[in-house]
Amino acid sequence: GQNIDQPTEMTATEGAIVQINCTYQTSGFNGLFWYQQHAGEAPTFLSYNVLDGLEEKGRFSSFLSRSKGYSYLLLKELQMKDSASYLCAVTDSNYQLIWGAGTKLIIKP
Amino acid sequence: ETGVTQTPRHLVMGMTNKKSLKCEQHLGHNAMYWYKQSAKKPLELMFVYSLEERVENNSVPSRFSPECPNSSHLFLHLHTLQPEDSALYLCASSPLHDGGTGGEQYFGPGTRLTVT
Repeated sequence: GQNIDQPTEMTATEGAIVQINCTYQTSGFNGLFWYQQHAGEAPTFLSYNVLDGLEEKGRFSSFLSRSKGYSYLLLKELQMKDSASYLCAVTDSNYQLIWGAGTKLIIKP
Repeated sequence: ETGVTQTPRHLVMGMTNKKSLKCEQHLGHNAMYWYKQSAKKPLELMFVYSLEERVENNSVPSRFSPECPNSSHLFLHLHTLQPEDSALYLCASSPLHDGGTGGEQYFGPGTRLTVT
């Protein structure tokens, strides 16, 4: 079956760095997305990786290793507004998007 | 108005009621989706429409009935729901990606549904 694993919850301190991991087993691979979802709101797009390596976008970076079925989202200089759930999703060989359950990130002062 | 909009934002209905959720996208996309989001569970894809044709129905009970009259509008008709159907229902749209629907999706704010 198809599966995406990410930690259920993480806690970090304001101003620090946190890495949220995602591992996947899917039938084929056509890209990996990270979305941010604040409580009670819709998910919003953060990043897209289709080739191995690191994509940097401001305070957020996303890394992909296709051979390992692994990605991480790196958040730097954490702010209180970064408290949210972070969703990992993979496009499989049929161009269907498979979603992880999300990681709830709690930022403490 | 831009983006993806959904109405109503909140809905409380009894098990014998009939109601409809509405979604509208102003992004010129050709694919639209209905998702169910329950607490601490992955997003559950319910239906996919590509170029106004239903291309996916993930074993959703018949008490949920989608309708896509054109590429900008999507409805989810609800009847005789169960309490376990209470959840956040999200609509999304995307451009077609290499002929498929696995590209970046843009979400509406969702409808918080409570079935009593």
